[in-house]
Amino acid sequence: QPVLTQPPSSSASPGESARLTCTVPSDLNVNSYSIYWYQQKPGSPPTYVLYYYSESNKGQGAGVPSRFSGSKDASANTGILLISGVQSEDEADYYCMIWSSNVWVFGGGTKLTVL
Amino acid sequence: QVHLVESGGGVVQPGRSLRLSCAASGFTFSSYDMHWVRQAPGKGLEWVALISYDGTNKYYADSVKGRFTVSRDNSRNILNLQLNRLRPDDSALYYCAKAITVGDIAPGSWGQGSLVIVSS
Repeated sequence: QPVLTQPPSSSASPGESARLTCTVPSDLNVNSYSIYWYQQKPGSPPTYVLYYYSESNKGQGAGVPSRFSGSKDASANTGILLISGVQSEDEADYYCMIWSSNVWVFGGGTKLTVL
Repeated sequence: QVHLVESGGGVVQPGRSLRLSCAASGFTFSSYDMHWVRQAPGKGLEWVALISYDGTNKYYADSVKGRFTVSRDNSRNILNLQLNRLRPDDSALYYCAKAITVGDIAPGSWGQGSLVIVSS
């Protein structure tokens, strides 16, 4: 099963942007995958944030603010979750996920701290 | 409103079995693929299994293949996970999750989880 790499931690001040990354193994091409993102706050189950395949193929979870957006950096083989105008309520763990070779694979998660 | 309630967790000895269930309501259960995902205490998410809407297709993580079996009863809106030959590293909070949409099978809505502790 592939391993998705996420930095264990990230931080941003309120109003700034937070850029969370999810690196796909080098034997896979990020452009071939939809990258799903989930948010998890302490003591709660995860919630679906969005998925991103391309600008013409993407989706937002119900009720998820538009300041959450997805993208890819093909040169780094990486999926990106961008949170614009970070708010204190965005402090949480964020996980990426892909479907590859008939299995779903999560990244290790990034803890976003709002300073 | 989607409602998923897991049950069946508990403390079990290594090598023994356990059966988790997930009662679904608020949507047409028989139309959606369903997942099991687990999370060890203080750790990240680990996908466990996926079953198609009609139960014909099942997929498993390598870590549980051959030991766990996912099934569903569409007449009763119940999702099951049979856990056999349990190991201490199977200890986790087990979530059931509904696919995002009929056409997008990634996990969308999640239950609150059922805790499994494997210990002698």
